[in-house]
Amino acid sequence: EVKLLESGGGLVQPGGSLRLSCAASGFTFADFYMSWIRQSPGKAPEWLSFIRNKANSYTTEYNPSVKGRFTISRDDTQNVLYLQMNTLRAEDTAIYYCAKHRGVPDFWGPGTMVTVSS
Amino acid sequence: DVVMTQTPVSLSVSLGGQVSISCRSSQSLVHNNGNTYLSWYLQKPGQSPQLLIYKVSNRFSGISDRFSGSGSGTDFTLKISRVEPDDLGVYYCGQGTQYPLTFGSGTKLEIK
Repeated sequence: EVKLLESGGGLVQPGGSLRLSCAASGFTFADFYMSWIRQSPGKAPEWLSFIRNKANSYTTEYNPSVKGRFTISRDDTQNVLYLQMNTLRAEDTAIYYCAKHRGVPDFWGPGTMVTVSS
Repeated sequence: DVVMTQTPVSLSVSLGGQVSISCRSSQSLVHNNGNTYLSWYLQKPGQSPQLLIYKVSNRFSGISDRFSGSGSGTDFTLKISRVEPDDLGVYYCGQGTQYPLTFGSGTKLEIK
């Protein structure tokens, strides 16, 4: 059974940083591309970033809305996906999901809440 | 960015009925490789989105044949037949053809 579990969310002040993690199990993590997606309350999901597998050199893609502030990475030895978020703003407040990616995000974790507020 | 426009914003249906949701993209979703990366998701209350349909008309693993997708180019439709109570929630279309990936604004399905 595919499982994804995000962690690392919480309350952070504007300008602060946070690193999210996503623990994966139930599938061969190293074979798959992975995404981060967020969703503000009552809004549609917003795709943030994407990392390919080793066979595709771990190359990445970013939404321009977060490029330069957010960094995606992965540890295939631990089956963990990361999202480093810097210079956080109030508008970054959202539920953050990791998702297994096969052409499109096909399985999403339950998410972790990030609140940016003073 | 590719803008995804969904209609209607909400709809109400009786149990056992049928509904259609429309999704239009601002650009063709045909990828250079010939695939069309249009997908449909259902977000049930308090849950994360779950994939229903990928590449326009392919049902994801475990998805009932009551859900069907169709369309091409820029116009796509999700049909739900024999609506059940568990179908309520917000339906989103999404495109994976062009970066950044984008989603429609959602259609809320309510059961009468």
